[in-house]
Amino acid sequence: DIQMTQSPSSLSASVGDRVTITCRASQSISSSLNWYQQKPGKAPNLLIYAASSLQSGVPSSFSGSGSGTDFTLTISSLQPEDFATYYCQQSYSFPHTFGQGTKLDIK
Amino acid sequence: EVQLVESGGGLVQPGGSLRLSCEASEFSFSDFWMSWVRQAPGKGLEWVATIKEDGSEKYYVDSVKGRFTISRDNAKNSLFLQMNSLRAEDTAVYYCARGGAVPGRFAYWGQGTLVTVSS
Repeated sequence: DIQMTQSPSSLSASVGDRVTITCRASQSISSSLNWYQQKPGKAPNLLIYAASSLQSGVPSSFSGSGSGTDFTLTISSLQPEDFATYYCQQSYSFPHTFGQGTKLDIK
Repeated sequence: EVQLVESGGGLVQPGGSLRLSCEASEFSFSDFWMSWVRQAPGKGLEWVATIKEDGSEKYYVDSVKGRFTISRDNAKNSLFLQMNSLRAEDTAVYYCARGGAVPGRFAYWGQGTLVTVSS
């Protein structure tokens, strides 16, 4: 099975900050990497698919990059509604494993 | 607007069974892979199972193999998860999710249904 490791596990930042979250796969997954945002008590929301493609309706402040084993999610300028937990997930092979999550909170 | 509505969760004793349902609407259900993803209280997301459009292929996380069965009824736009031999560690909110161009890309999710395994 492919293991997905996110860093950091938690992050404190301020409105307007630029934030980067990293996800590493235990083996190459090409560009088969998705990013989700989840707020408490809600279902996850797809932000980025295929490593760098912005899902429809997602603000352009979100971007993704990477291929192979190393990936990043960047939020260019944090807004109050961006404080949430973020997960990466590989869709390269079954089981479609998720990272452990990165909780982003207000500094 | 795509809608996925789960039902069937509840409290069950260890060793018991439960059948979850997910009713889909506003899209052509038979054209999409479908999945179950769960989240234990206070924990992260865990992919559980996926089924192909016509039901001919099914995939499971190791921890549920032999205990859970994913199925679908395309005539009724419904996805199911039959859960047997339930354990305390199966306690979670269970979400159904729709695949897209890639089976594991989940652009649409239900609201989730809580399964609690406890005596």
